[in-house]
Amino acid sequence: KNQVEQSPQSLIILEGKNCTLQCNYTVSPFSNLRWYKQDTGRGPVSLTIMTFSENTKSNGRYTATLDADTKQSSLHITASQLSDSASYICVVSAGYGNKLVFGAGTILRVKS
Amino acid sequence: EPEVTQTPSHQVTQMGQEVILRCVPISNHLYFYWYRQILGQKVEFLVSFYNNEISEKSEIFDDQFSVERPDGSNFTLKIRSTKLEDSAMYFCASYQEDFYGYTFGSGTRLTVV
Repeated sequence: KNQVEQSPQSLIILEGKNCTLQCNYTVSPFSNLRWYKQDTGRGPVSLTIMTFSENTKSNGRYTATLDADTKQSSLHITASQLSDSASYICVVSAGYGNKLVFGAGTILRVKS
Repeated sequence: EPEVTQTPSHQVTQMGQEVILRCVPISNHLYFYWYRQILGQKVEFLVSFYNNEISEKSEIFDDQFSVERPDGSNFTLKIRSTKLEDSAMYFCASYQEDFYGYTFGSGTRLTVV
């Protein structure tokens, strides 16, 4: 069964600090892995997309890594801001153009 | 930046009533999807739609659900007889064949009372 597991479930950090979120997946056939940011009551917004051959992808203060051998990914957020408070969701695409398999998300709260 | 537009943003309906959730995908996209997210739970796949027909559906997408693309621009999700457990955020998404063009709408919050 295709599954995406994320940890931690929630995280509180101080503004300006860094953090790393983890994702493990068992999805076949693997197509790509995406990290989304979802604000409460809003649709997911894409942060990064990585294919099988990519190990790392950056988007501003967000850096995602992918280890296709161990089926693990991480999202590193540097110099966190209050506006980074949101749910961060790891999503794996199974096959070209197919449905997305969502993780449960990590709820990040950045406090001053 | 192109957007996927969903209406209404919030709908309250009585149990047993029919609801239609509307979506306007990005105009040059070819694949369309509905997902739902029950409060506090992960986003779940409902159905994918390509070339004017359903290409895949989940076990959640039973006979009370249907999708349509009636006029080439709108993409609708109909729930025939709503149940309390249908209360959720429903997200529409569209996708283009360059493999990176997955875009979600802001969602419709459906509350069944």
